Amino acid sequence: DAGVIQSPRHEVTEMGQEVTLRCKPISGHDYLFWYRQTMMRGLELLIYFNNNVPIDDSGMPEDRFSAKMPNASFSTLKIQPSEPRDSAVYFCASSLSRGLDYGYTFGSGTRLTVV
Amino acid sequence: KNQVEQSPQSLIILEGKNCTLQCNYTVSPFSNLRWYKQDTGRGPVSLTIMTFSENTKSNGRYTATLDADTKQSSLHITASQLSDSASYICVVSEDSGYSTLTFGKGTMLLVSP
Repeated sequence: DAGVIQSPRHEVTEMGQEVTLRCKPISGHDYLFWYRQTMMRGLELLIYFNNNVPIDDSGMPEDRFSAKMPNASFSTLKIQPSEPRDSAVYFCASSLSRGLDYGYTFGSGTRLTVV
Repeated sequence: KNQVEQSPQSLIILEGKNCTLQCNYTVSPFSNLRWYKQDTGRGPVSLTIMTFSENTKSNGRYTATLDADTKQSSLHITASQLSDSASYICVVSEDSGYSTLTFGKGTMLLVSP
């Protein structure tokens, strides 16, 4: 298995532009998670899905952030409009089961820089 | 407020030496504690996961301990290798739900030749 695949690996954009981050979870995993990592705050859970349905989006910082999972093999995290404080590494992770560490796997992340 | 504090913030050791990383938490009620290794430019990879009833778990040269009474955990690395250079993150779960994971900020370990 190729693992959790994220694209792009790096993204540099200007303030005010729309940014879309993409994630392909491991086939068969029914949970998908989006995280943000910064030096100051470490890893933070933004939102997670179960069977393509958003379960908890309380970590989404504000309305500029939105996430979708149109099918079991694809999810997007969109920021519109982007701001310099959104600069961070965004990770996607997927899992077979809630509450256990069954195959809980992170992608390699997307490093976002907003200038 | 649930918190996970890790120490030291960073550490440099010589190749072949042992080291111990610390994790103190205030998360309650407690479900499980995980240690992750994160190489530069990569996502975190799970090393161990321990529930309330477990006080030691090993994964090769990595041994994690848990004292649920004092709410402390440690990660011991034996005979360090250059490839052990990474950030080590302690994560505590309040229950079986992922929404209640509390992450530490990590310890950055550098193994020097």
